[in-house]
Amino acid sequence: EVQLVESGGGLVQPGGSLRLSCAASGFTFSRYWMYWVRQAPGKGLEWVANINQDGSEQRYVGSVRGRFTASRDNAKNSLYLQMNSLRAEDTAAYYCARVAADGNFYYMDVWGKGTTVTVSS
Amino acid sequence: DIQMTQSPSSLSASVGDRVTITCRASQTISNFLNWYQQKPGKAPKLLIFAASSLQSGVPSRFSGSGSGTEFTLTISSLQPEDFATYYCQESFTTPIIFGQGTKLEIK
Repeated sequence: EVQLVESGGGLVQPGGSLRLSCAASGFTFSRYWMYWVRQAPGKGLEWVANINQDGSEQRYVGSVRGRFTASRDNAKNSLYLQMNSLRAEDTAAYYCARVAADGNFYYMDVWGKGTTVTVSS
Repeated sequence: DIQMTQSPSSLSASVGDRVTITCRASQTISNFLNWYQQKPGKAPKLLIFAASSLQSGVPSRFSGSGSGTEFTLTISSLQPEDFATYYCQESFTTPIIFGQGTKLEIK
């Protein structure tokens, strides 16, 4: 079964750090771009970051650039999101998602169940 | 950045109704447009990619159309399990942008 399972969320104080993990199974992880997407309580979806197949290329939404770092370990079939200098507005459910491709078209075809990050004092 | 605007933001409908949700892009995105369904407390689920391609396993009552700046998601005959929030998402550029969502509720 193709599956993504996030972990590492929790309660952290403003200015603190947290590292999220996403464990992939049931597919060849190293062949896929991966995304992190978040959803603040009661709000819509926001793309946070992406990372290419070998981890050499990452892109970020402006609000997290310089604070968050996406990485991956293909030998461990794992994706990570290192989050530093956390702010209250980073409070959200964080999802990892697999990026499928059909020619030039890219879409998120597999999602994890999410892990919740709460930034509060 | 591209802006994606969905309408309506919420919609009440009955089982068996035909429903259409619109997504407009602030600039042309060809057909680089995906649709997702999200139920409360759950992860989003891909319905449509490339504006009109139905994801494997998704019922055929879901369809997508459009190109350029205007797109639609249509549910031909609402079923009880279709009451959820729907998001469009452009895949034309980075940052990737989602619409604000359309909440589909039971009338």
